[in-house]
Formats: sequence, structure tokens, C-alpha cells
Amino acid sequence: DTGVSQNPRHKITKRGQNVTFRCDPISEHNRLYWYRQTLGQGPEFLTYFQNEAQLEKSRLLSDRFSAERPKGSFSTLEIQRTEQGDSAMYLCASSPDANTGELFFGEGSRLTVL
Amino acid sequence: AQSVTQLGSHVSVSEGALVLLRCNYSSSVPPYLFWYVQYPNQGLQLLLKYTSAATLVKGINGFEAEFKKSETSFHLTKPSAHMSDAAEYFCAVRPNQAGTALIFGKGTTLSVSS
Repeated sequence: DTGVSQNPRHKITKRGQNVTFRCDPISEHNRLYWYRQTLGQGPEFLTYFQNEAQLEKSRLLSDRFSAERPKGSFSTLEIQRTEQGDSAMYLCASSPDANTGELFFGEGSRLTVL
Repeated sequence: AQSVTQLGSHVSVSEGALVLLRCNYSSSVPPYLFWYVQYPNQGLQLLLKYTSAATLVKGINGFEAEFKKSETSFHLTKPSAHMSDAAEYFCAVRPNQAGTALIFGKGTTLSVSS
């Protein structure tokens, strides 16, 4: 399978714990995006990378959230001190071409904070 | 800021009927526009995209969309609905800066009855 891969697919945690999600993009894609999707809403942009550089962060990305893409390949999204409001689907997407903007999405990582 | 508005959070049609899902965008210049589909427990899949070429865009699974600058619209249509079309559909716009993330609408859930 050469698509975007995300893991874990599901994570249940208690409030206050830290969680980390991993995204492996399509190998030749140099752009990687993180989105958050809650029930009844469209995906909301969190942050994006070009290679290892984090070029844009949304105001939704509070200081409890951090994302990295250390070698320009896979990326991690960490949420510290989780809150119930963090419960959502976290989507990763990658793109080969900045000009068209087409994104290729993974299946997402669903977070439930109890 | 650019945005998209999807009119109707839920659309119900009978199998074989016309599907029309509405999307209006706000932009001072013609943007790049996209329609994505999301099946339950799956990631978003690109249906079609408009990138300033032909105004009538054909996509996968028999869907098409027409870019109308005068109406700032990019409605998605399919002449004859199939049961397998039941899913959530998202319209998205790419801001004019290359590489920036797509902005999604809130989505429209399509139900198809036999």
C-alpha cells in the first residue's frame, strides 16, 4: 500500500495524558498537512510542512499541540495534557504539487479523551 | 479570508434521481476548488478539482461540477444516484498562495434510498 498511513487508528486516553500520532506520507510527497475533524464539521487545518520545515500553523494549534517532521519523511503530532475537547479525528494528508493543492488523505487517527 | 459554504447539511435522493450538492465560495480571484468524498471510517478521497482550465469538470464515479464565476458557485452533480453514493461530501478551496492548505466546508451528507 503506497497511500498515506496513520497510526494508531484509534486512541482512548484519560484527560491529562499525552498522546502522539504518526503519519507516513506518500514517499515522493514533500508537503504534509495535519487537519482535525469533529462530528458534523469539515476538516480544520492545523499545520503543514514542506520537507522538514513547518511553514504554517493554525490558531487552533494551541501550545499543547506540537508537530514535527524531523527528516522530511514521517511526521508526528503530539498533544500534551489532553482535554475532552481534543476528542476528534486527526487527519494527515500529503501533496506532491504545491500548484494544484490536491491533497491525499490518510484514514485518520480517532482520539477519545475520557 | 477565503471560505466555502455548503448549502444543506443533509440531502436525500432516491436511487436513479439527480444528485445536486451546492457549494459557494468567497474569493476575490478565481481560486482552485475541490470536491472530496468521505465514506464511513475512511479518509477523504478526491472526486474532482477545478484549477482554472475548463469550467465543467468531470470526476470519478460519474460526478461533475461546474465553476460559475458570476455566481461564485461550484455545485456537484450526478445524473443518476446509486446506493453506493451515500457518503459525506466536502467542498474545499485553496487560497491563492501556492502550498497553503485547503479550506473545507462543513460537508453535506448524501442519503440514497431505494
